[in-house]
Amino acid sequence: AQSVTQPDIHITVSEGASLELRCNYSYGATPYLFWYVQSPGQGLQLLLKYFSGDTLVQGIKGFEAEFKRSQSSFNLRKPSVHWSDAAEYFCAVAGNSGYSTLTFGKGTMLLVSP
Amino acid sequence: DTAVSQTPKYLVTQMGNDKSIKCEQNLGHDTMYWYKQDSKKFLKIMFSYNNKELIINETVPNRFSPKSPDKAHLNLHINSLELGDSAVYFCASSQDPGGHGYTFGSGTRLTVV
Repeated sequence: AQSVTQPDIHITVSEGASLELRCNYSYGATPYLFWYVQSPGQGLQLLLKYFSGDTLVQGIKGFEAEFKRSQSSFNLRKPSVHWSDAAEYFCAVAGNSGYSTLTFGKGTMLLVSP
Repeated sequence: DTAVSQTPKYLVTQMGNDKSIKCEQNLGHDTMYWYKQDSKKFLKIMFSYNNKELIINETVPNRFSPKSPDKAHLNLHINSLELGDSAVYFCASSQDPGGHGYTFGSGTRLTVV
């Protein structure tokens, strides 16, 4: 069974500083990987996804993530955080064949300090 | 036009009642889902439908009954509501049953009192 671990429940970053949110997954083959963002009281917005190819994936709002098979990781990064980035971030994994659904991590709450 | 729309956005009801949440997508997707987000923000799949047929049921109590009248709609009916059913329910659709092109609705916050 697939699973996702986001080891940090919450992270505080100063505005303008760089950000890295950690995500580790468990899956028997190469998975499909996603990062979603959820602002308070809002739905889920897809930031980026990895299916295959280049392991460095660019997303919306200046985010990027790198797939590292050897570490079973898919960490999310942003070089300079803005106050509007404060939100809950979810990493998710899906199988790469047949019927599959998203398995989410428990989320990381990003707080941005002035 | 909203791609995946859920109604209602908020639902407050008493224990023991029966309620429904509706979901419609106008993306032409074949696959639709219900996810539940609990009070700790943990998101978990409940059901998956492909072309109106149930393909995944993740050991959800049988008080929860999804219904798909056509592939653009997936409604969720809940009988005999319990306090523990309080959560945010998200509908989603995908262009393929592998779930690789998800679009989520904005969620329905259900509060059982």
